[in-house]
Amino acid sequence: AQSVTQLGSHVSVSEGALVLLRCNYSSSVPPYLFWYVQYPNQGLQLLLKYTSAATLVKGINGFEAEFKKSETSFHLTKPSAHMSDAAEYFCAVSGKMKTSYDKVIFGPGTSLSVIP
Amino acid sequence: DSGVTQTPKHLITATGQRVTLRCSPRSGDLSVYWYQQSLDQGLQFLIQYYNGEERAKGNILERFSAQQFPDLHSELNLSSLELGDSALYFCASSVEWGLDTGELFFGEGSRLTVL
Repeated sequence: AQSVTQLGSHVSVSEGALVLLRCNYSSSVPPYLFWYVQYPNQGLQLLLKYTSAATLVKGINGFEAEFKKSETSFHLTKPSAHMSDAAEYFCAVSGKMKTSYDKVIFGPGTSLSVIP
Repeated sequence: DSGVTQTPKHLITATGQRVTLRCSPRSGDLSVYWYQQSLDQGLQFLIQYYNGEERAKGNILERFSAQQFPDLHSELNLSSLELGDSALYFCASSVEWGLDTGELFFGEGSRLTVL
């Protein structure tokens, strides 16, 4: 079975400060990991993904995430927060199973607020 | 624009009624996924179809059903609606059921309000 936890349902940072959103996963097979962002009144869009290539993954809008197998983590970071980063962020996991078809499991989400 | 189209964008109905939500995936995408997003449950996977066949089932209630048609569009049918069914329903599509790329393309959602 697969699952995703995100520590902190709400994170506030000052504009220009480091953004760190935490994600831990559980998977019985080698995982694919993703971060999606949801802006108000919009659908989710992909920020970045890990698919067993480089462990440090760079995404759009200056975000990056590092896959750490030993810690079963895939935390999202951005060196300097911008007002436009205020949104809901979802970590997700998927992976090929032996006996069932793939599906993407989303974490509960972290709402990021950026304070001017 | 993700290329995934969902209709209607907003829907208000009464308890006990039935509604149909429609999704057109991105051109070329064979897989369609339905998710329910509510404040208390977060983003919940409902069901996945690939090229017309059901591939995976999540937390979908028996009152809900879905199908994918030969032209690959999908419909989610919600019946005997309850207040708790009020939520944002997302459709997403991807190229392959195997999710080798892993990327889902989401529509903007259908907001259902049950009064």
